[in-house]
Amino acid sequence: TQLLEQSPQFLSIQEGENLTVYCNSSSVFSSLQWYRQEPGEGPVLLVTVVTGGEVKKLKRLTFQFGDARKDSSLHITAAQPGDTGLYLCAGRGNAGNMLTFGGGTRLMVKP
Amino acid sequence: GAVVSQHPSRVICKSGTSVKIECRSLDFQATTMFWYRQFPKQSLMLMATSNEGSKATYEQGVEKDKFLINHASLTLSTLTVTSAHPEDSSFYICSVAMRVQETQYFGPGTRLLVL
Repeated sequence: TQLLEQSPQFLSIQEGENLTVYCNSSSVFSSLQWYRQEPGEGPVLLVTVVTGGEVKKLKRLTFQFGDARKDSSLHITAAQPGDTGLYLCAGRGNAGNMLTFGGGTRLMVKP
Repeated sequence: GAVVSQHPSRVICKSGTSVKIECRSLDFQATTMFWYRQFPKQSLMLMATSNEGSKATYEQGVEKDKFLINHASLTLSTLTVTSAHPEDSSFYICSVAMRVQETQYFGPGTRLLVL
């Protein structure tokens, strides 16, 4: 079983601050995805990273896939209240099988 | 991406009754559909994977006789929670994909409350 650990589990910050969310595993993933989920809604895909060391940017969000494809990070610059939500990482194993979700990071950005 | 709907969005039922949740892929031929369960403040847990026209594959610990899945067409899968109990109260989310290893598109979820 491939496990993904996310940290921190919960983060409460002020508007304008920066933050980083981590997603770690002892397993290698062929790809890793980040989702954002708002209360009462399904997850929405933010990005997919595939190559070790890959960095992708989505406005104020920067995603990085570890060189060994075992970990990933999400960095948010100048967080805004609209960034509030549950951030989930999900990895897909080398066999191309199902997604394994991390435990999630609940972010609250206070105005 | 694909547009996925779920119905109902919320349901309250009495203990012992059965509840059917529909997952529809509105603009996408979904060969594979997934059903997840999410408890409050927790992550998504995969319950089962269904392929159109064949029996669903259930994850370990998920009772197939309690959570009946039917994937009769490329656009519709249903999850029936039989003889629901309060511990079945949860947020049920489906996702669709063209194939198992391809991108999943998630529905908006169904919140089930069993009294």
